[in-house]
Amino acid sequence: ETGVTQTPRHLVMGMTNKKSLKCEQHLGHNAMYWYKQSAKKPLELMFVYSLEERVENNSVPSRFSPECPNSSHLFLHLHTLQPEDSALYLCASSKGLAGGYNEQFFGPGTRLTVL
Amino acid sequence: KNQVEQSPQSLIILEGKNCTLQCNYTVSPFSNLRWYKQDTGRGPVSLTIMTFSENTKSNGRYTATLDADTKQSSLHITASQLSDSASYICVVSAIRYGNKLVFGAGTILRVKS
Repeated sequence: ETGVTQTPRHLVMGMTNKKSLKCEQHLGHNAMYWYKQSAKKPLELMFVYSLEERVENNSVPSRFSPECPNSSHLFLHLHTLQPEDSALYLCASSKGLAGGYNEQFFGPGTRLTVL
Repeated sequence: KNQVEQSPQSLIILEGKNCTLQCNYTVSPFSNLRWYKQDTGRGPVSLTIMTFSENTKSNGRYTATLDADTKQSSLHITASQLSDSASYICVVSAIRYGNKLVFGAGTILRVKS
């Protein structure tokens, strides 16, 4: 286990549903991330939170809405998704912002299918 | 075109054999290069991280090399095991973009018995 948990592990939703993905880290880190992973494509960074403040938002459609209530929890609220949003959604955390030498620890991901 | 290109896209080898995965990048300047292993249904796990001044880094049967002049890195797996079956992802930290991580699409390795 990496110390980062995600729930649910699998989610199937219709285009009109509203659902939320949850991520929790038990590592005492202060930065958390959401990534989207589609088949045969590089990981796409969606959002970055540092000390509970959003520091990066990579042109993600408004149908994805992140929330970081504290440094241990991160949510991704989903509404009126499209079938092309089906993917593996990965959460990660790091001690400081990743990119220097701060190691990123990933959760197991949520496999999302939009019908 | 992605700034981090990996080859081959997929690879099948027999258990016990060695293999080498390639990563070519155009990110410059960069602060470090990482290799991750991602098992099916799991998140990526770090294997190695090398600074721009390092040439090689080992982690058990995994050895990563880096040639900053040619902007190439390789991951060599020795005496492969069935558990090595996974996707291997190369990631470069781009100084120009505030040390943003640039991910390759990965190489899918399957080890057969």
